[in-house]
Amino acid sequence: GAGVSQSPRYKVAKRGQDVALRCDPISGHVSLFWYQQALGQGPEFLTYFQNEAQLDKSGLPSDRFFAERPEGSVSTLKIQRTQQEDSAVYLCASSSPGTKNTEAFFGQGTRLTVV
Amino acid sequence: QQQVKQSPQSLIVQKGGISIINCAYENTAFDYFPWYQQFPGKGPALLIAIRPDVSEKKEGRFTISFNKSAKQFSLHIMDSQPGDSATYFCAAREANTDKLIFGTGTRLQVFP
Repeated sequence: GAGVSQSPRYKVAKRGQDVALRCDPISGHVSLFWYQQALGQGPEFLTYFQNEAQLDKSGLPSDRFFAERPEGSVSTLKIQRTQQEDSAVYLCASSSPGTKNTEAFFGQGTRLTVV
Repeated sequence: QQQVKQSPQSLIVQKGGISIINCAYENTAFDYFPWYQQFPGKGPALLIAIRPDVSEKKEGRFTISFNKSAKQFSLHIMDSQPGDSATYFCAAREANTDKLIFGTGTRLQVFP
């Protein structure tokens, strides 16, 4: 596709439910990032992949959060036993490091509401 | 800890006026400073970016001023238009990790 695609756009989960959020990065982009954006705040880094390798997961708020990118393209962010404080927009971004253009392209995000 | 501080939180400007948003950073290991524009329900989109070896960059109505010694940078929007009404985020990229550290955002409203 032309841009970063995320699905679903909206997700309502009951507290304690597991959720999986999908990200399709721009074709050929090596780097993939997940960010969490709380209402009225700036995005906060969660985790980073280069191809299939998860190089940095320092931003994941708890061990309930897990991300994978098994084939170096599509990535999934999984949240187990969701809590109300997990409610936020989850943004995925991709970029192609090592090129002159280092822009990170963001998807539209998945808005997660935990009730 | 918040490594990138952004102000003001909100800004109201009349059409044709100049919008100015300021950011300051604490970490010297940043190598790239982008500004993102975000409309409601959309992801952030890159507006303009600067590297720390440059003091100013202009693209159309948008200018970044960068002061390395003061660890400050700012976005100027000249001839502001109602279509510029959005939330603007400054960010700084960590040189060794490529991750972006965002400011808290400025909600800009431009009235006709």
